[in-house]
Formats: sequence, C-alpha cells, structure tokens
Amino acid sequence: QVQLQESGPGLVKPSQTLSLTCTVSGGSISSGSYYWSWIRQPAGKGLEWIGRIYNSGSTNYNPSLKSRVTVSVDTSKNHLSLKLSSVTAADTAVYYCARGKDFHGMDVWGQGTTVTVSS
Amino acid sequence: SYEVTQPPSMSVSPGQTARITCSADALPKRYAYWYQQKPGQAPVLVIYQDTERPSGIPERFSGSTSGTTVTLTISGVQAEDEADYYCQSVDSSGTYLVFGGGTKLTVL
Repeated sequence: QVQLQESGPGLVKPSQTLSLTCTVSGGSISSGSYYWSWIRQPAGKGLEWIGRIYNSGSTNYNPSLKSRVTVSVDTSKNHLSLKLSSVTAADTAVYYCARGKDFHGMDVWGQGTTVTVSS
Repeated sequence: SYEVTQPPSMSVSPGQTARITCSADALPKRYAYWYQQKPGQAPVLVIYQDTERPSGIPERFSGSTSGTTVTLTISGVQAEDEADYYCQSVDSSGTYLVFGGGTKLTVL
C-alpha cells in the first residue's frame, strides 16, 4: 500500500526558506484522482492545513500562508515538496504530508517531521 | 476566515457512548471528515463524507449530521479510543480545507 515519508532539515534559521520533501512509495504520485497535502501541528496544538496539489497540477493554499507557500510535485522522483519562505518561530511545528481524495478525506499520512525555526 | 468549532475536551467512562460535535456554517453543503490522533502519531481518518467509515475502522465509530452540526459517535468506548479527534471540512467555495481545534477525549 502507499506510504509517505517526510524529510528535510530539522532546523531552519529565521527569515530563511523551509524546504521539505515527501517521498511516496508503493504507488505512483501521478496515478488516480488524488491530491497531496501538507499539514502542520505546533507542539501541543491542533492541525493546520497548509496547502494541496492535485495530480492535474492545480494548487490550493491556506489563505493565511498563501503568500509564503509553494507546493509542487516531481513525478520523476515520485515526491511532493513544500517551500515556506520567510519563516519565523511561529512556523516551528511537526509537518505532515497526506494523500487525499475529494469527498473521501485524507486517508494516508506520513509520520511527520519536526522543524524548528531558531537562530 | 472560515471556522470549524469543536469542544476542546470531553470525558467518558469505558463502555459508555461519546458524542463529539463539530459546527461550521457550510456543513449543510460540505462534507465533514473525522481524524483520530494518538500522542506521537499521525492522524488517522475514521469517518468521511459525514457518515462513512473507512475499511479497518471499528464499527463503534459512526458519524451523523444535522444542519450546521456533525457528530462523531463512539459507542462502547474503549481505553484505546483515548485520543484527540479533529473535524475537518472545506469552506463554502470548496477550495480551502479547515480543521477544527480538536477535541481531547479522555476515557476515565
């Protein structure tokens, strides 16, 4: 079955760009009518949706983050990417990637990766 | 911004029924989804399309809807059901996903 694994630097300096990758195994990222999302969770707090990309290439972003976020897919590497620019301490969180389908929710999640923003 | 509202916490004794509510203006037109998250783990989808249960989710988990409120019901609560539960929907345009603040379910 499809599995997701997030990876990237665990420490990012303020004002820099956070870059994460989500590698898809057990299936092709470009098959099926899916979307691929990024979600984050600050320690002890709730889930916050960041954005998603459909297999068509169409993207949607959380309005509160839209000016700083880019979500993309590299089909040759079978992975999903997140770039979040101009980070601050408020961007410190566990970042998850997930597979979703319209009207079916997000049924496959990665284990999450912790990112700390600090100098 | 679009808001999805859940109670922050609730507690229930083993064997009892837990009902967790979620309210949002667009719920009469948009589906709700429920996720269970245990400490240190990724969320797991337990209900989709308001009332549907993914394969592998125990039958004691069910969902219902009425107007602007959806409810996750856990019948015969077990100790292993102690977790945070998140309601998720989309805004009225169907463009943006939004999570509720989460409900911490404590099994006494």
